[in-house]
Amino acid sequence: AQSVTQLGSHVSVSEGALVLLRCNYSSSVPPYLFWYVQYPNQGLQLLLKYTTGATLVKGINGFEAEFKKSETSFHLTKPSAHMSDAAEYFCAVRKGGSEKLVFGKGTKLTVNP
Amino acid sequence: NAGVTQTPKFRILKIGQSMTLQCAQDMNHNYMYWYRQDPGMGLKLIYYSVGAGITDKGEVPNGYNVSRSTTEDFPLRLELAAPSQTSVYFCASTPLAGGPDTQYFGPGTRLTVL
Repeated sequence: AQSVTQLGSHVSVSEGALVLLRCNYSSSVPPYLFWYVQYPNQGLQLLLKYTTGATLVKGINGFEAEFKKSETSFHLTKPSAHMSDAAEYFCAVRKGGSEKLVFGKGTKLTVNP
Repeated sequence: NAGVTQTPKFRILKIGQSMTLQCAQDMNHNYMYWYRQDPGMGLKLIYYSVGAGITDKGEVPNGYNVSRSTTEDFPLRLELAAPSQTSVYFCASTPLAGGPDTQYFGPGTRLTVL
């Protein structure tokens, strides 16, 4: 069975600092990987996804993530945090051929001025 | 395109009442999903549908029912509301499943059962 682990339910950074949100997955076959963002009182919005090919994936709002098969990781980064990045971030995985996404428990990002 | 829409946005139910959460999408997507989100628990899949007339259980289906009579609509029914069903409910859709297609989410319905 697939699972997704997000290390750290809360992450706090200063404005302008590096953002690093960690995601590890378990899957018997190479999966498709997604990062979603949820702003307060809103639905989930896709940030970026890894399908095949280049392992460094760029998304919206300056975020990127790197797929590392050897480490079964798909960590999300942004070089310089902005106040508007404060939100909850969810990593999700789908095994090829499956209809279902499996979500991590989420990481709430706080950006301090 | 309106995308995925959900009604109502908020609802308070008494224990034992029933209600239907509405979900509609105008993107002609085959696959639709219902999730519940509880604090610190991520999203849990309740039911999903691979097309009109076809539904299947997800991870937490107990206490819920669904139907899919059209491609556009995928309502979620709570028959006998319980406090454990207090949650935020999200509907999502995707054109195809099993591949890299993105799931598109509605804005959610916040349900409280007292």
